[in-house]
Amino acid sequence: AAGVIQSPRHLIKEKRETATLKCYPIPRHDTVYWYQQGPGQDPQFLISFYEKMQSDKGSIPDRFSAQQFSDYHSELNMSSLELGDSALYFCASTRNTGTGGYEQYFGPGTRLTVT
Amino acid sequence: GDSVTQMEGPVTLSEEAFLTINCTYTATGYPSLFWYVQYPGEGLQLLLKATKADDKGSNKGFEATYRKETTSFHLEKGSVQVSDSAVYFCARINAGGTSYGKLTFGQGTILTVHP
Repeated sequence: AAGVIQSPRHLIKEKRETATLKCYPIPRHDTVYWYQQGPGQDPQFLISFYEKMQSDKGSIPDRFSAQQFSDYHSELNMSSLELGDSALYFCASTRNTGTGGYEQYFGPGTRLTVT
Repeated sequence: GDSVTQMEGPVTLSEEAFLTINCTYTATGYPSLFWYVQYPGEGLQLLLKATKADDKGSNKGFEATYRKETTSFHLEKGSVQVSDSAVYFCARINAGGTSYGKLTFGQGTILTVHP
């Protein structure tokens, strides 16, 4: 079965650089979530999109922005990178049936290292 | 706000031992509850879920029962294997409003199983 695809899997950037992370949801999934997991931490919700519109926003810095495109893939853009942005970034997708209780399927994550 | 609390770890067991990882959640609305597992260097995989009170989720020998009266969703396995060594996250999906579908995770519990 198709899974969530994230690219790149690993990314090394220097401070103050920019980074773009991509997420391709499972086919027919209309909702995408982004999470950030610091070393030894639980994943923290950043932002979500439903049908290409932002549906919720969590603890996402103003330096970060994201969008969902017409083909439902999503990109997380990160500017003025800081050392503290080093983390594992997960994308998850689901299909919003309106009945609730639906599980999110996670991608393998992008490991961002800022030096 | 909505939160999930897991028992402090790490947990170290011998193969074939009984496993319990405690999880409690704040009783806001009627959340769906999940257990995710993260193997070293990998992403999050859904282990099991329960969407309403008294539901029992089960998978790969793991079980958890949604207990509304104690706001708990403890994970159990009768006989652990070395291959079960991983980090386990309890999570809830918020219900209602614009936060619908956002996962809130517990702190994670590191499980190590020795032969």
